[in-house]
Amino acid sequence: ETGVTQTPRHLVMGMTNKKSLKCEQHLGHNAMYWYKQSAKKPLELMFVYNFKEQTENNSVPSRFSPECPNSSHLFLHLHTLQPEDSALYLCASSQDLAGGHNEQFFGPGTRLTVL
Amino acid sequence: SQQGEEDPQALSIQEGENATMNCSYKTSINNLQWYRQNSGRGLVHLILIRSNEREKHSGRLRVTLDTSKKSSSLLITASRAADTASYFCATPAYDKIIFGKGTRLHILP
Repeated sequence: ETGVTQTPRHLVMGMTNKKSLKCEQHLGHNAMYWYKQSAKKPLELMFVYNFKEQTENNSVPSRFSPECPNSSHLFLHLHTLQPEDSALYLCASSQDLAGGHNEQFFGPGTRLTVL
Repeated sequence: SQQGEEDPQALSIQEGENATMNCSYKTSINNLQWYRQNSGRGLVHLILIRSNEREKHSGRLRVTLDTSKKSSSLLITASRAADTASYFCATPAYDKIIFGKGTRLHILP
């Protein structure tokens, strides 16, 4: 596995629940990312953080709320989700943004099912 | 938008054979990356090739880049069962990278 961990690995929640996904990277990287991967769709970039500051919100609905308390931790807070939000949520990090030159290191993902 | 498109979408070959996947993109780039994803897991970086490079090797992987045709290929030689995965190309777009839909590779025993 890489130096990026994600918890939980699996999550089942109802539409009225509130839950959080956690990501931690042990690589000393400055940039962190949340991606959504649905079946038969390209990987969708959701949020980008660089030095704890959000640099991109890719038109993500407000029921997804990211938090980056420091360069090593990234959270995705979930509330009032819809069944179509069921997907694999991947966290990644890179040394910095650097215009796409840097490789990204991915966590194993959280498989989310919304009932 | 700048997005690589992999071809074919799916590929099944016998173990020991070579597998070739292609990626086409739309606008000029300064590098291109390939990633692998095992079923339901995170992506793993395989190789980055810069625009001034035509070919790059890493173990059983060979990546080519043709900037005039805006295309790249990933060749896996002497395939193994463990190579069964999805393979994605990724191209830079400002401060991020954009992934294609991927090629699903299945190695048959």
